[in-house]
Amino acid sequence: QKEVEQNSGPLSVPEGAIASLNCTYSDRGSQSFFWYRQYSGKSPELIMSIYSNGDKEDGRFTAQLNKASQYVSLLIRDSQPSDSATYLCAVNAGNNRKLIWGLGTSLAVNP
Amino acid sequence: DVKVTQSSRYLVKRTGEKVFLECVQDMDHENMFWYRQDPGLGLRLIYFSYDVKMKEKGDIPEGYSVSREKKERFSLILESASTNQTSMYLCASSSDYGRAHQETQYFGPGTRLLVL
Repeated sequence: QKEVEQNSGPLSVPEGAIASLNCTYSDRGSQSFFWYRQYSGKSPELIMSIYSNGDKEDGRFTAQLNKASQYVSLLIRDSQPSDSATYLCAVNAGNNRKLIWGLGTSLAVNP
Repeated sequence: DVKVTQSSRYLVKRTGEKVFLECVQDMDHENMFWYRQDPGLGLRLIYFSYDVKMKEKGDIPEGYSVSREKKERFSLILESASTNQTSMYLCASSSDYGRAHQETQYFGPGTRLLVL
């Protein structure tokens, strides 16, 4: 069964620090990888997508993909209290339009 | 911007009632999804649809049915609501896989359903 695994946390970092969130996946055929942020009581919103090995940067966020090791990570630089949320990792489920979701990592940024 | 809307933010129903949850997207997306999300269990796919009148079961379809009569609208039906269907229900849409890297799913605000 195809799986996506994340540490549930909570991950606690001080304001201004770098938060590092990790995700591993089981399906070597996966091609598309996504990070979503979900605030308590709200729906998930897309932060970044990544499709090629290496790093992809968008503002304070950097996604890193290593297909050989089957992991994808999200770095949040200069963490802010407003970054406190649950971060969901999702991976495409082959050629069928679906995504496989991790359970999410809870991040707390302390002022 | 993609906009996905859901008919209700909060809903309270009685056991045995038939419940309709509606989702509408305005980006001409081919694919639409219904998930439920419960603490500790994450997002679980109930049903999805990749075309009008087409549907496929997800991981937990029991007790649910869906309808997609128009491309922009995807309805989730609880035939006879039970207390274990109390949950947050999330609708999402995505464009067709035929275009590269288009599996990004965009979510509606969610419906928090309480079944008493």
